[in-house]
Amino acid sequence: QQQVKQSPQSLIVQKGGISIINCAYENTAFDYFPWYQQFPGKGPALLIAIRPDVSEKKEGRFTISFNKSAKQFSLHIMDSQPGDSATYFCAASMRRYQLIWGAGTKLIIKP
Amino acid sequence: DAGITQSPRHKVTETGTPVTLRCHQTENHRYMYWYRQDPGHGLRLIHYSYGVKDTDKGEVSDGYSVSRSKTEDFLLTLESATSSQTSVYFCAISVAGAEETEAFFGQGTRLTVV
Repeated sequence: QQQVKQSPQSLIVQKGGISIINCAYENTAFDYFPWYQQFPGKGPALLIAIRPDVSEKKEGRFTISFNKSAKQFSLHIMDSQPGDSATYFCAASMRRYQLIWGAGTKLIIKP
Repeated sequence: DAGITQSPRHKVTETGTPVTLRCHQTENHRYMYWYRQDPGHGLRLIHYSYGVKDTDKGEVSDGYSVSRSKTEDFLLTLESATSSQTSVYFCAISVAGAEETEAFFGQGTRLTVV
């Protein structure tokens, strides 16, 4: 009930391509779905987040798509760049301060 | 980094020895967390605190204890380190904004138990 399942575990995308990372959840009480980006040697940092009352949120080249009925949400990175190479975590929360984390996706963008 | 400092940044210790990791914040945020990060497991919550002397267990709390005697400091102790506790440990705080709650992480502590 508490889990957030993230896939794939790793992803290689050519420069300029679209990177897509998916997450699924079970608990319908979750009301906040952020994505975090982590570079080697650093802690994760908030990238973009969405609430379930909208189906899509876009910030620059990063878009979250949210499907409430399927209990799934995904991160799309358009025109992927080598600087986007990082580990990405999805998360979900139903209480203000408790985040449940996905297992992470290591993204490599090939030049 | 929201004023979060972890110390030490790297540590090698022997099995069976006690180890304490320190997390210090400068902005008096109420909620603080300790996570461990391992390949294939993502971030797993060890313990968290919601105020001075108020702490609770996370999903992987066995073998760990915490203390928070001051708002700014959150200590994680491995009473008797084991090789399975070799990991990267992250401290985090959470900040509630008008729309969203954001977690801010420290730089991490890489702990190796030999």
